[in-house]
Amino acid sequence: KQEVTQIPAALSVPEGENLVLNCSFTDSAIYNLQWFRQDPGKGLTSLLLIQSSQREQTSGRLNASLDKSSGRSTLYIAASQPGDSATYLCAVFYDKVIFGPGTSLSVIP
Amino acid sequence: DTAVSQTPKYLVTQMGNDKSIKCEQNLGHDTMYWYKQDSKKFLKIMFSYNNKELIINETVPNRFSPKSPDKAHLNLHINSLELGDSAVYFCASSLRQGYGYTFGSGTRLTVV
Repeated sequence: KQEVTQIPAALSVPEGENLVLNCSFTDSAIYNLQWFRQDPGKGLTSLLLIQSSQREQTSGRLNASLDKSSGRSTLYIAASQPGDSATYLCAVFYDKVIFGPGTSLSVIP
Repeated sequence: DTAVSQTPKYLVTQMGNDKSIKCEQNLGHDTMYWYKQDSKKFLKIMFSYNNKELIINETVPNRFSPKSPDKAHLNLHINSLELGDSAVYFCASSLRQGYGYTFGSGTRLTVV
């Protein structure tokens, strides 16, 4: 069965810390993996899309890595800011897309 | 210049009513989707259309009927609304199946 999990479910860090969010998937035969952020009461904003042939993608302070063999992706956020506070979701693309349950991040000023 | 736009943003209605949510994308994408996000924030696929043709139809009550007049539009009509239909409904699009998604801002449906 294809499942996607995200650990931790919630994370609270002081401003300026570097942090890592994890996404695990049970079936390694993925097409792509996409990271999103969702602010309260808002839609999903795409952060990074990693194709199955890629190992990582970077955008500004964000870096996402993909290790298909171990069924893991990590989202690294450097020098966290209060504006990074949101829920972060990973979406794993098979024939259909499976979303993780999300990690709720709170960055304390 | 909104890429994926949904209307209305909020919808409050009584049980038993029929309502529609509209979605339009100006990205030139071939594939569009409807997702439901429940109170626990879990996202579940409802429907997927590729170039106006239905390709995914998950286990959704037949009170929900999608309609795609062209590949830039995917509307969702809901008959005989029930309390359990209260949720946030998201429209999304992708260049093709298996490609990254762009989401709309969501429609918060409240059935009273």
